[in-house]
Amino acid sequence: KNQVEQSPQSLIILEGKNCTLQCNYTVSPFSNLRWYKQDTGRGPVSLTIMTFSENTKSNGRYTATLDADTKQSSLHITASQLSDSASYICVVSALGGGNKLTFGTGTQLKVEL
Amino acid sequence: DAGITQSPRHKVTETGTPVTLRCHQTENHRYMYWYRQDPGHGLRLIHYSYGVKDTDKGEVSDGYSVSRSKTEDFLLTLESATSSQTSVYFCAIRDTLADNEQFFGPGTRLTVL
Repeated sequence: KNQVEQSPQSLIILEGKNCTLQCNYTVSPFSNLRWYKQDTGRGPVSLTIMTFSENTKSNGRYTATLDADTKQSSLHITASQLSDSASYICVVSALGGGNKLTFGTGTQLKVEL
Repeated sequence: DAGITQSPRHKVTETGTPVTLRCHQTENHRYMYWYRQDPGHGLRLIHYSYGVKDTDKGEVSDGYSVSRSKTEDFLLTLESATSSQTSVYFCAIRDTLADNEQFFGPGTRLTVL
């Protein structure tokens, strides 16, 4: 069964600090991995996408890494801001099957002053 | 939000009543999806559509039906709502011209008493 596990479940950091969120997956055959940001009361919004051949992708202060051999990904947030407070969801797509996605349960990040 | 709207945004209903949620898109995308999001679970696929009158079941389709009579509208119906269907429902479209990224609507919060 395809699964995506994220850690930690929740995290509180001070504004300006860095943090790293983890994602482990067992989706096969692998197509791509996305990180989404979901603000409270909103739908998820994609931050990055990585395919099998990519091992890092940046979007401003967000940098995602992918190790396809160990089936792990991380999302690093640099110089956090209050607006980074959100749930971050790791989503893995399998080849074929109509682009069905497997979602992690998310890491709830809170950035405090 | 990639031109996606959902209505209603909030609804409270009683067990046994029928409920229809509407997803409307303005950009003529072929693929549309309905998900539910519950605490402790990643988003889970209910039904999806790959064209007008073409739909298929997702992993949690029991108790739900869908219809797509026009490209722009995808309806999700709970024929007889149950308390287990209390959830936040998200509609999504897949943009085949943007790495097959799924863009999500703002969500509908449904409470079944």
